[in-house]
Parts: sequence; C-alpha cells; structure tokens
Amino acid sequence: RKEVEQDPGPFNVPEGATVAFNCTYSNSASQSFFWYRQDCRKEPKLLMSVYSSGNEDGRFTAQLNRASQYISLLIRDSKLSDSATYLCVVIVTSGTYKYIFGTGTRLKVLA
Amino acid sequence: DAGITQSPRYKITETGRQVTLMCHQTWSHSYMFWYRQDLGHGLRLIYYSAAADITDKGEVPDGYVVSRSKTENFPLTLESATRSQTSVYFCASSESPYNQPQHFGDGTRLSIL
Repeated sequence: RKEVEQDPGPFNVPEGATVAFNCTYSNSASQSFFWYRQDCRKEPKLLMSVYSSGNEDGRFTAQLNRASQYISLLIRDSKLSDSATYLCVVIVTSGTYKYIFGTGTRLKVLA
Repeated sequence: DAGITQSPRYKITETGRQVTLMCHQTWSHSYMFWYRQDLGHGLRLIYYSAAADITDKGEVPDGYVVSRSKTENFPLTLESATRSQTSVYFCASSESPYNQPQHFGDGTRLSIL
C-alpha cells in the first residue's frame, strides 16, 4: 500500500462547480500536511497548508481528519484557471523525517 | 527576490556524458532537495541536504552525485548519463523539513539520447 494515495482523476467539472479531493495517508506519525498545485510539468507550487482545525483561503478549504487519516481540498466556484494537478504532501516524523508526495489528482474545469 | 533558480532549463546530452544541473537559493534555507518527475511515478526524491557538507540519499540515488559546499548551492551531477535518466528534475528548499513546506525551482528538462 502506498503511504499517500490520491485518486488520479481526471475530475471534469463545469465552471462554477464545487469539487473536492481526498488524500489518504497510512502512517499515523504523519504530522504536517500541505496541498500543492502543479500545472502541466511545471514546478509544484504551494497552495495551502492543512491545519488540524481546517483552514480556508478564498475559494479553497483544506481539512484534516486524523481519525480516518485523510486530508481534503474543497474548491468552490471553480474557474478555468483552476485546471491543474493537485498534489497532497504528508510529512512523517517518526525517527527520521519523510516528505511524501501523492501522485496527484488532475482537475479539468470546463467552460 | 529570486528565490530558487535552476539551470539550465533544458538540456540534451548523450549517453555516457557527465552532466551537472545547478540549483541556487537566496532564502538561506538549510534544507535542499533534488527530485525527478516521470509520468506515472510522481515526484521521487534523489538526494537531500540538511546543511552545507551534509547530504543524504533519497529514494532513487543511483547514478547521481551531489555536493553542497555552500548553503545556497546544491548541484546534481549525473556521472555517466543513461537514457533512463531522461526526466524533469526539480530542486527544492525548505526552512525546516519537519513542518515547513518545500519551495521548488522551475525545473530542468533533461533528455539523454
């Protein structure tokens, strides 16, 4: 089983729709979590950190569920420019640390 | 604020050649990382460095060499390039690996013929 798993998609949604992605992790020693956005083989860019209490940044909301070991990203009012691959990242800090990327979920927002 | 820069952006070389990819950051981050990204594999860690003169292997280190004589630079060398090393290479840096995000350079697209 992969340490971090994401549905590869693609998720095809119309403009204005709300879409949500989940990312599951297997290591209970996972301590920090992030969502990145990556456009077509460009560099990953930090979208937002994920805090235990959940956090929001404009149209984006991130949540953490430690009991079920997953994080989620909700995008409201989708824009064409949101089309990208969304990578979740989990930092595991038991003994040594590991920074683990998911393989990403592809989102296509359609006009 | 230049952040983190990689050079070259594109490189074509032949099998057996040595090639060095450069990475430079201006944030004075202690930690630096090299990844490769291939279709179907996502990002895979090649090497990382916790500070000048401290480096360690990642998931896929074979065929690569790194050095870090200065905090701001972290070059990656392919000693004898092979076709399987054709990939997109990303350098990243982080203030702390335990709870801080990594910030990426814009990548080097390397083709080995």
